[in-house]
Amino acid sequence: GENVEQHPSTLSVQEGDSAVIKCTYSDSASNYFPWYKQELGKRPQLIIDIRSNVGEKKDQRIAVTLNKTAKHFSLHITETQPEDSAVYFCAASGGYNKLIFGAGTRLAVHP
Amino acid sequence: NAGVMQNPRHLVRRRGQEARLRCSPMKGHSHVYWYRQLPEEGLKFMVYLQKENIIDESGMPKERFSAEFPKEGPSILRIQQVVRGDSAAYFCASSWNPGLAGGPLETQYFGPGTRLLVL
Repeated sequence: GENVEQHPSTLSVQEGDSAVIKCTYSDSASNYFPWYKQELGKRPQLIIDIRSNVGEKKDQRIAVTLNKTAKHFSLHITETQPEDSAVYFCAASGGYNKLIFGAGTRLAVHP
Repeated sequence: NAGVMQNPRHLVRRRGQEARLRCSPMKGHSHVYWYRQLPEEGLKFMVYLQKENIIDESGMPKERFSAEFPKEGPSILRIQQVVRGDSAAYFCASSWNPGLAGGPLETQYFGPGTRLLVL
């Protein structure tokens, strides 16, 4: 069935370093790939998304890349700050508009 | 501009009771999705509804769970005869114009969630 795998499950970086989170998906029909940030006890919040007709998208310190051939997409955060600490989820669109989520990456940014 | 609203935010039920979770989509949105999040896990799709129609319920357990989105009022996720394994955070999301087959999928905005605890 439809599946999204996300790595790593935890990531610890020093403030100012870069962080990279990688996801792979199984459904070749997926065409929309959002990334959500979730702080403890809060709702998932969209931070960036990419569609299958684009290979890369950037928004300030955040960028996402997509390789449709390899069914692989990644989130890149540069110049990390302590407030970037949260759980990050990737997702891929499935049939009937549902989102299939990865298991999440717990990012800790240490001052 | 109010976002997606969910209530209650926290719900405690004893085994065998019923749980009703409500979701009001963003203004202008007529498509609602329900997801379940177990502790330390990702979100799992349950059901996708439009006004008065269930479009995809492939992620919803066949027994005890039901969902509706009436013409008037919020979407309701109903869990009958709750068991401890139903304890989770239930999030709903809404979108304005979900993608047609092969077309773009519009952004899903999430509500604050309802945290259900079954004793």
